[in-house]
Amino acid sequence: EAGVVQSPRYKIIEKKQPVAFWCNPISGHNTLYWYLQNLGQGPELLIRYENEEAVDDSQLPKDRFSAERLKGVDSTLKIQPAELGDSAVYLCASSLDGPVSYNEQFFGPGTRLTVL
Amino acid sequence: DQQVKQNSPSLSVQEGRISILNCDYTNSMFDYFLWYKKYPAEGPTFLISISSIKDKNEDGRFTVFLNKSAKHLSLHIVPSQPGDSAVYFCAAPHRTDKLIFGTGTRLQVFP
Repeated sequence: EAGVVQSPRYKIIEKKQPVAFWCNPISGHNTLYWYLQNLGQGPELLIRYENEEAVDDSQLPKDRFSAERLKGVDSTLKIQPAELGDSAVYLCASSLDGPVSYNEQFFGPGTRLTVL
Repeated sequence: DQQVKQNSPSLSVQEGRISILNCDYTNSMFDYFLWYKKYPAEGPTFLISISSIKDKNEDGRFTVFLNKSAKHLSLHIVPSQPGDSAVYFCAAPHRTDKLIFGTGTRLQVFP
């Protein structure tokens, strides 16, 4: 069974440019997460989806970040415009419904973004 | 406010010896804890967990200990193997679903 798929794996852009990341979760996983991981830090949740509904986006910087999960499967995370401080790894994870104590979160390999 | 803390950024252990990775937390509402392992260029993968109703959980070479009064948990790996070299994250779910991660400890197991 395929795991969580993310693309691209690496992205280098100049500041003020837009960028988008794509995630395909594990089949049957209704819950999808986007995490941000800065260098030397642990992942931090940006947004969580239950099917196509964003149920926790409190940590998403809404002035420049947006996300969508139109059909409750694939998801796209966008930054426009990108800033130097956005350089980080963007991780996507998915799980079955319910609390994490019962349903493991499976992570994709991440997209490493470098903003020049 | 760092609710989950891993104060040792790195640890170096000889193959065959015990590796002990530590984690402290500040939120007394946390009742479940997880350890994730991360290799370079890969996403974190779940390793082992423990509920607050237990003080120990063992899975093969990996054992997690929980000391609730001290708000401290530790991951023991014995015997350590070179393939265990990775970054280890301690995490706790906030309000059942949002994982709060520590900053990670990089373990290096040398021959």
